Amino acid sequence: DVVMTQSPLSLPVTLGQPASISCRSTQSLLYSDGKTYLNWFQQRPGQSPRRLISKVSKRDSGVPDRFSGSGSGTEFTLTISRVEAEDVGVYYCMQGTHWPPTFGGGTKVEIK
Amino acid sequence: EVQLVESGGGLVQPGGSLRLSCAASGFSFSYAWMSWVRQAPGKELEWVGRIKSKTEGETTDYAAPAQGRFTISRDDSKDTLYLHMNSLKSEDTAVYYCTTDSSYWGQGTLVTVSS
Repeated sequence: DVVMTQSPLSLPVTLGQPASISCRSTQSLLYSDGKTYLNWFQQRPGQSPRRLISKVSKRDSGVPDRFSGSGSGTEFTLTISRVEAEDVGVYYCMQGTHWPPTFGGGTKVEIK
Repeated sequence: EVQLVESGGGLVQPGGSLRLSCAASGFSFSYAWMSWVRQAPGKELEWVGRIKSKTEGETTDYAAPAQGRFTISRDDSKDTLYLHMNSLKSEDTAVYYCTTDSSYWGQGTLVTVSS
């Protein structure tokens, strides 16, 4: 299986400041159709996961534009331009290029 | 509005069986590929398996921990997805979510495997 490694494990952030989460895969996530199936999810405490971004950088409907995704191949980044209180939670990357889909171990974002 | 509502979780003894259901609404269920994803307490998410639409043969695929013990099925007449779990182990204890193409998720149902 493709292993997804996220860093850091924990990310204390000051309100209004930027935050970045890194995700690396053990294999390229570029699929034969030319697309890269790398998603980002947010899971707030006690809630189900919510997809924020698909295919590296496409924001889902209703996702604030302070969230952005970038990267290619095996290295990807989720950036929050200005962290707000509601952004507290655990963030996961997930690859859907290779079966089975696999998730990173998660990054816990908390407010300093 | 898309809704996915899981049910059927509970406490089961090791070696036992359980069937989870996921009632879908707000989208064309019969055309959707559907999946089950689980999350052990305090752990990351883990894909269990998926089922394709009827037009694509209702083909199923499973991750290794589920292969041979779990079966995913669907009833398009009821807009419902199922997860049949046999030979349950303590490590199957988790919240089980159903999801579409990962864009919509249910609230989850807790399965606890313990004697």
